[in-house]
Amino acid sequence: KQEVTQIPAALSVPEGENLVLNCSFTDSAIYNLQWFRQDPGKGLTSLLLIQSSQREQTSGRLNASLDKSSGRSTLYIAASQPGDSATYLCAVVTSGSRLTFGEGTQLTVNP
Amino acid sequence: EPEVTQTPSHQVTQMGQEVILRCVPISNHLYFYWYRQILGQKVEFLVSFYNNEISEKSEIFDDQFSVERPDGSNFTLKIRSTKLEDSAMYFCASTPSTSGKTGELFFGEGSRLTVL
Repeated sequence: KQEVTQIPAALSVPEGENLVLNCSFTDSAIYNLQWFRQDPGKGLTSLLLIQSSQREQTSGRLNASLDKSSGRSTLYIAASQPGDSATYLCAVVTSGSRLTFGEGTQLTVNP
Repeated sequence: EPEVTQTPSHQVTQMGQEVILRCVPISNHLYFYWYRQILGQKVEFLVSFYNNEISEKSEIFDDQFSVERPDGSNFTLKIRSTKLEDSAMYFCASTPSTSGKTGELFFGEGSRLTVL
């Protein structure tokens, strides 16, 4: 059974700092990995999708990498801003059509 | 920009009552999903739906749950007899992928269900 773990559970940084969020998964036979952002009481906003054949994806200040063999992904956020404050979720598709989610990293960027 | 829309945003119901949560997926998408998130817990998969039938369902999705695409735009989740433990945020999602395995999922804002 696929398990997804995210470290750290919470992170507080000053504005402008570059930061890395970590995601690990136990079964490396994934089809894809997706990073989401969730604001309190809100839905999930897709940030980046990495297919199993890809190593990384970039969107603006965000860069996500995937190392399937080691079961790891990182989300790199450059020059963080207070508006980046949210919970970041990592999720993978292993079999069938379901996403398995991690617990999330709650990010606070202080002005 | 196209988005997944969900109604109601919040529903309060008494235990044992039937609830229907509604979703309008993005119009050219083919695979539809329901997920839920109990407060403070992980987002959990409930069911996926493709070509007018259930593609996959989780252990949570028992006989109390059903899904339907009653017309060309709506996708509904029905809970027949709600329990206290059904209290959660329910998210609808869709993808243009025809396999459900490789596509980017787009989520709605969620419907918060409170069972008293």
